[in-house]
Amino acid sequence: AQTVTQSQPEMSVQEAETVTLSCTYDTSENNYYLFWYKQPPSRQMILVIRQEAYKQQNATENRFSVNFQKAAKSFSLKISDSQLGDTAMYFCAFMNRRGAGNNRKLIWGLGTSLAVNP
Amino acid sequence: NAGVTQTPKFQVLKTGQSMTLQCAQDMNHEYMSWYRQDPGMGLRLIHYSVGAGITDQGEVPNGYNVSRSTTEDFPLRLLSAAPSQTSVYFCASSYSDYTDTQYFGPGTRLTVL
Repeated sequence: AQTVTQSQPEMSVQEAETVTLSCTYDTSENNYYLFWYKQPPSRQMILVIRQEAYKQQNATENRFSVNFQKAAKSFSLKISDSQLGDTAMYFCAFMNRRGAGNNRKLIWGLGTSLAVNP
Repeated sequence: NAGVTQTPKFQVLKTGQSMTLQCAQDMNHEYMSWYRQDPGMGLRLIHYSVGAGITDQGEVPNGYNVSRSTTEDFPLRLLSAAPSQTSVYFCASSYSDYTDTQYFGPGTRLTVL
């Protein structure tokens, strides 16, 4: 069974600095997707960035980038120039690319609570 | 384009009461799902649907029913609420079962006394 582990329950960073959130996963599959979702205090779950496992290039979305190490099964999120609005819970998630139905569900880590301090 | 909407935002029930959590999307997405979010447990899939008229169980389906009579709507029914169902419930949708990006509604916080 696939699992997703986020080893940092809480982190903090000063505004304008850079922070990296860790995520590791376990799977025997070769073809899958990885995601980072952000959940601010409003509770809305917002997709931050996604990575397709068969792509070697790390995904980037503005200030957000990932370091995808497929062999190590690691998928960390780097937030550059942190802003107060980045304060949120961040979840790492995994989805099989193969299969259907229940095999395609998102598998979630327990989250990292990030506080950006002024 | 409202995306995924959920009602109500908050609800308090007594044990044994029934209610329906509403979910609707206006993106013509085929795939819809319900998750519950509990502290220390992450998000868990309750039920999902790959299209109108088709539903199936996720990993924690007990105590919940769903139906999908239209593409837009995917209500979640609690037939006899229990305190163990106190949670935050999220509805999500994606274009199809074979696409990856899911869009989430704002959530419903349910408390069962």
